[in-house]
Amino acid sequence: AQSVTQLGSHVSVSEGALVLLRCNYSSSVPPYLFWYVQYPNQGLQLLLKYTSAATLVKGINGFEAEFKKSETSFHLTKPSAHMSDAAEYFCAVSEPGANSKLTFGKGITLSVRP
Amino acid sequence: DAGITQSPRHKVTETGTPVTLRCHQTENHRYMYWYRQDPGHGLRLIHYSYGVKDTDKGEVSDGYSVSRSKTEDFLLTLESATSSQTSVYFCAMAEGGYGYTFGSGTRLTVV
Repeated sequence: AQSVTQLGSHVSVSEGALVLLRCNYSSSVPPYLFWYVQYPNQGLQLLLKYTSAATLVKGINGFEAEFKKSETSFHLTKPSAHMSDAAEYFCAVSEPGANSKLTFGKGITLSVRP
Repeated sequence: DAGITQSPRHKVTETGTPVTLRCHQTENHRYMYWYRQDPGHGLRLIHYSYGVKDTDKGEVSDGYSVSRSKTEDFLLTLESATSSQTSVYFCAMAEGGYGYTFGSGTRLTVV
């Protein structure tokens, strides 16, 4: 069985500061990993994905994440936060071939202070 | 968004009534999913489909049923709505295990 842990429910940073959102996963096989973003009253949008190619993955809006097998982690980072980054972020894991099902973490709300 | 739509976007219904939510895709994707989103729980899988007439249960399937008679349509039915089913429901589609494309969601309130 696969699972995702996102520690904490809320992160607050100042505009221009580093954004770091943590994600740890559990999977019985080499996983695919994803980060999604959800803006208020909207659906989820794919930020980036790891599917067993390069371990450092770049996504939209300046975000990136690094797959670290030894730490079972896939943390999301952005060097400089912008006000428009305020949203809820979800980490998700799937096992290749398992009907493509994604298992999501509980999400982290990112606030950006002016 | 990108070839997947949900209807209705908002619905208020009374306890005990049946409710059907519709998801329609135009991408000919094989896999479709229904999730519910609740504060503190993230997204939880209700049911999914891996082809026409091929469906299976997710982790929170009690009180829900689904049908997929055509590739493009995936229906979620609440047989007898309860207040605990008040939630935001998201449909998603996928092909090849490389992540989902989500619909915009249906906000359901059971009173």
